[in-house]
Amino acid sequence: KQEVTQIPAALSVPEGENLVLNCSFTDSAIYNLQWFRQDPGKGLTSLLLIQSSQREQTSGRLNASLDKSSGRSTLYIAASQPGDSATYLCASSAGNKLTFGGGTRVLVKP
Amino acid sequence: NAGVTQTPKFQVLKTGQSMTLQCAQDMNHNSMYWYRQDPGMGLRLIYYSASEGTTDKGEVPNGYNVSRLNKREFSLRLESAAPSQTSVYFCASSDTGGSYEQYFGPGTRLTVT
Repeated sequence: KQEVTQIPAALSVPEGENLVLNCSFTDSAIYNLQWFRQDPGKGLTSLLLIQSSQREQTSGRLNASLDKSSGRSTLYIAASQPGDSATYLCASSAGNKLTFGGGTRVLVKP
Repeated sequence: NAGVTQTPKFQVLKTGQSMTLQCAQDMNHNSMYWYRQDPGMGLRLIYYSASEGTTDKGEVPNGYNVSRLNKREFSLRLESAAPSQTSVYFCASSDTGGSYEQYFGPGTRLTVT
């Protein structure tokens, strides 16, 4: 059974610092890996999706990498802003089923 | 383009009452999903529908039923609500044969007293 872990559970950084969020998974036979953002009381917003054949995906200040052999994905957010404060979730996909990590709650202090 | 919509946004039920959570998507996606999110447990799949006319159990299906009404709509029914079903419920949809990227609705916050 796939297990997805995100450590740390919470992170606080000063504005302008780069954010590094970690995601690890136990079964490397994944179809893709998806990163989401969740604001308090809201739904999940898809940030990036990395196919199993890809090493990384980029969107603006966001960059996500995938290393299937080591069972890891990392989300980098450059030059963090207070508006980046949210919970970030990763999820591995076996086709149409997602297994979620517990999330990392991020606070960016002005 | 509304994406995935869910109704209601909030609901309070008494133990034993029944209700149906509604979900609709306008992205012409084949697959739809119901998740619940609980503190300390993360997001867990309740049921999913890979295509119109099919439904399958997820990780935590007990106490729930689903109906894929058509390609757009996927409902979740609680026949006899229990306090353990207090949670936030999310519906999602994805295309198949491509990236399987899932798109989520805004959620329904359900409290069972």
